[in-house]
Amino acid sequence: GENVEQHPSTLSVQEGDSAVIKCTYSDSASNYFPWYKQELGKRPQLIIDIRSNVGEKKDQRIAVTLNKTAKHFSLHITETQPEDSAVYFCAAPRNSGNTPLVFGKGTRLSVIA
Amino acid sequence: DTAVSQTPKYLVTQMGNDKSIKCEQNLGHDTMYWYKQDSKKFLKIMFSYNNKELIINETVPNRFSPKSPDKAHLNLHINSLELGDSAVYFCASRQARGMGSPLHFGNGTRLTVT
Repeated sequence: GENVEQHPSTLSVQEGDSAVIKCTYSDSASNYFPWYKQELGKRPQLIIDIRSNVGEKKDQRIAVTLNKTAKHFSLHITETQPEDSAVYFCAAPRNSGNTPLVFGKGTRLSVIA
Repeated sequence: DTAVSQTPKYLVTQMGNDKSIKCEQNLGHDTMYWYKQDSKKFLKIMFSYNNKELIINETVPNRFSPKSPDKAHLNLHINSLELGDSAVYFCASRQARGMGSPLHFGNGTRLTVT
């Protein structure tokens, strides 16, 4: 089954700087990699996802990159704002396709104004 | 209007009691899940149902019994509650697709066992 490692566990950045969170996965058959943001006391919400047929995807200040050879994917947030402060989770399917998502252990991002 | 709704939002109970959490999704998804989030924020899969059928039981104690009366509902019943069951329980759903699809989470049920 899939094993997802996420780093760092905590990250503090100054407002306006960039933040990068990295994840590795173990199952080379995995083909779908979402990122979730969880604010305090709320549910995880999808912010961006990437499928294995592309190497990068962008949505305004958020981007995700995927390196299938190295089996890692990263979340990039540019021009960080205080409202970006939250816990971020990466995930990958336990096996390929539509099996349950296995989550990384989360990164607590703090954006300091 | 909430796509995945679960009740109750908070549940405080004593050890040894039995409790249930209900979940409903109006997205027309065919797969539903229960995840447990512990105090360290780790999200772990507990159960997976596809079209009312149990697909995955992730080594969860048999005190936990999920039930899916139809593909829009997945309830979780817990017998003989223990202190270690205290956590936030999230229901989630997704539509099966060849290249993967996102999970939609409910708002969570914070269970506190005293």
